[in-house]
Amino acid sequence: QKEVEQNSGPLSVPEGAIASLNCTYSDRGSQSFFWYRQYSGKSPELIMFIYSNGDKEDGRFTAQLNKASQYVSLLIRDSQPSDSATYLCAVHNNAGNMLTFGGGTRLMVKP
Amino acid sequence: EPEVTQTPSHQVTQMGQEVILRCVPISNHLYFYWYRQILGQKVEFLVSFYNNEISEKSEIFDDQFSVERPDGSNFTLKIRSTKLEDSAMYFCASGGEGVDYTFGSGTRLTVV
Repeated sequence: QKEVEQNSGPLSVPEGAIASLNCTYSDRGSQSFFWYRQYSGKSPELIMFIYSNGDKEDGRFTAQLNKASQYVSLLIRDSQPSDSATYLCAVHNNAGNMLTFGGGTRLMVKP
Repeated sequence: EPEVTQTPSHQVTQMGQEVILRCVPISNHLYFYWYRQILGQKVEFLVSFYNNEISEKSEIFDDQFSVERPDGSNFTLKIRSTKLEDSAMYFCASGGEGVDYTFGSGTRLTVV
């Protein structure tokens, strides 16, 4: 059974702070890792993806991957109230053409 | 920016009825998917479709479900004999050669 686990939250941070979101996965064959943002009642929107161990930065967002620990994280710098949403971690294994999603972490950024 | 279009946005149906959810993927994409999200739960994979055939399906995607690409633009999900537990948001997605695909805005299916 391929599992992707996230703390459901809510994670509350003040405006301007760094939000740190974490995700663990069970399938060592996983090769691509994605972070999506989902506002209530809306579809997932891709924030960024990462394939290789280490850090990948895109604007205020940094994804971190550690395949040995089966751990992927998302840092959001200078958090804004508009960042308040549920953040979904998703994992892709090339053996099967599908994404396996975690349950999401609800982030609340307080002005 | 190209987008994946889904219709209808909300569908209410009686238990036991058949529904067809429609999707127009991004025009140059080759891979098509259906996912669903029951309220308050995880996004779950249903099926992937490539080269006019199913390439992968989950255990959720049983004989009650079918997919079709009836023409060059539409991609449909048919649910036969709907049950109360089929109530969910259904998301269509499409992708090119990579795995960073685009989700549609979803169809909220309510079975009463």
